[in-house]
Amino acid sequence: EDQVTQSPEALRLQEGESSSLNCSYTVSGLRGLFWYRQDPGKGPEFLFTLYSAGEEKEKERLKATLTKKESFLHITAPKPEDSATYLCAVGAGNNRKLIWGLGTSLAVNP
Amino acid sequence: EAGVAQSPRYKIIEKRQSVAFWCNPISGHATLYWYQQILGQGPKLLIQFQNNGVVDDSQLPKDRFSAERLKGVDSTLKIQPAKLEDSAVYLCASSLDYYNSGEQYFGPGTRLTVT
Repeated sequence: EDQVTQSPEALRLQEGESSSLNCSYTVSGLRGLFWYRQDPGKGPEFLFTLYSAGEEKEKERLKATLTKKESFLHITAPKPEDSATYLCAVGAGNNRKLIWGLGTSLAVNP
Repeated sequence: EAGVAQSPRYKIIEKRQSVAFWCNPISGHATLYWYQQILGQGPKLLIQFQNNGVVDDSQLPKDRFSAERLKGVDSTLKIQPAKLEDSAVYLCASSLDYYNSGEQYFGPGTRLTVT
């Protein structure tokens, strides 16, 4: 069964304290791995697409990496405005259906 | 570029009543999605349209939920009759096309409360 697991469920950091979020997956026919950010009361906002093991993408303080079984979202020197829920999704199968994880809720304290 | 528009933003109804949600996707986006998101969970796909045709509605409770996308642009999602467990945020998203389904653009959502 196609499955996406994110860890930890919640993470609290001090401003400037770097860390990583994990997204592990088991899918048949991977059609890409996608990271989204969701702020309270808003819809998810697309961040990154990763297709191949070894691929990396960066945006400001965020860097996403991909292996054959998992992806990491590294947050370097986070700021309070990085506080949000980070969702991971994988595209699976010929119909490219997205399988979503439950998300990691990140809180960055000033 | 205008984003995905949804209305209403909030709706409170009693169980067994009906409700409808409206979505206007980003101009030129062929693929439209309706999701249900319960607090603390990831989005659950209800239905996916490619232009005005249904691609996937395998998780749509068809005895009470219906959706249409006339003319391949706007879309409406309806619930009739509503149950308590339908309380959730209903998100509409669009993507350029089927092959870019991983890069979706979401509207702000409609928060539905069924009492």
